Amino acid sequence: SQQGEEDPQALSIQEGENATMNCSYKTSINNLQWYRQNSGRGLVHLILIRSNEREKHSGRLRVTLDTSKKSSSLLITASRAADTASYFCATDVQGAQKLVFGQGTRLTINP
Amino acid sequence: EAQVTQNPRYLITVTGKKLTVTCSQNMNHEYMSWYRQDPGLGLRQIYYSMNVEVTDKGDVPEGYKVSRKEKRNFPLILESPSPNQTSLYFCASSLSSGDTQYFGPGTRLTVL
Repeated sequence: SQQGEEDPQALSIQEGENATMNCSYKTSINNLQWYRQNSGRGLVHLILIRSNEREKHSGRLRVTLDTSKKSSSLLITASRAADTASYFCATDVQGAQKLVFGQGTRLTINP
Repeated sequence: EAQVTQNPRYLITVTGKKLTVTCSQNMNHEYMSWYRQDPGLGLRQIYYSMNVEVTDKGDVPEGYKVSRKEKRNFPLILESPSPNQTSLYFCASSLSSGDTQYFGPGTRLTVL
């Protein structure tokens, strides 16, 4: 199964609400990253959190990392229609020479 | 402007006709990677390169070749494309394997 698995697979909320997406992984990591993808376009990096960090903020984004549970969450506050996209977590697995991407959460913000 | 470029953006071809998708980055990144994205399967790594003349297989390398003769370029070669290689392809680069990756705009390939 996937190293990084996002949950839920799809999420639909009203504009202004908060959106929370989760990512679980299986092995030890150096860091975990979140990316955003608008339909059919290239992924865009949002935030990177290192294994020794627990929480990180960037604008309306808040990422948490719990290495004991091997999980991370991405919170988008005060969502906007423009936040509609797919969101992927990617793990920098210790000893591997690559990022491993999950299958993503498709987020829809309804106006 | 820092960017990763890919060409072509769209390509329709026929089975067996060799093709190359180019990828170039202007950020002096050492690490470059190719992915394919298919519905329900997420992003899967095809090949990666840690530096010039250093390439290695990713998770789904069958049917693909790459080369890294210069730091900025990392072309993806399909010697004999087949319909199961119809997909959306992304090139990405980063300072090292675990750093922030910068993605190209994607190449949508259809093999008939």
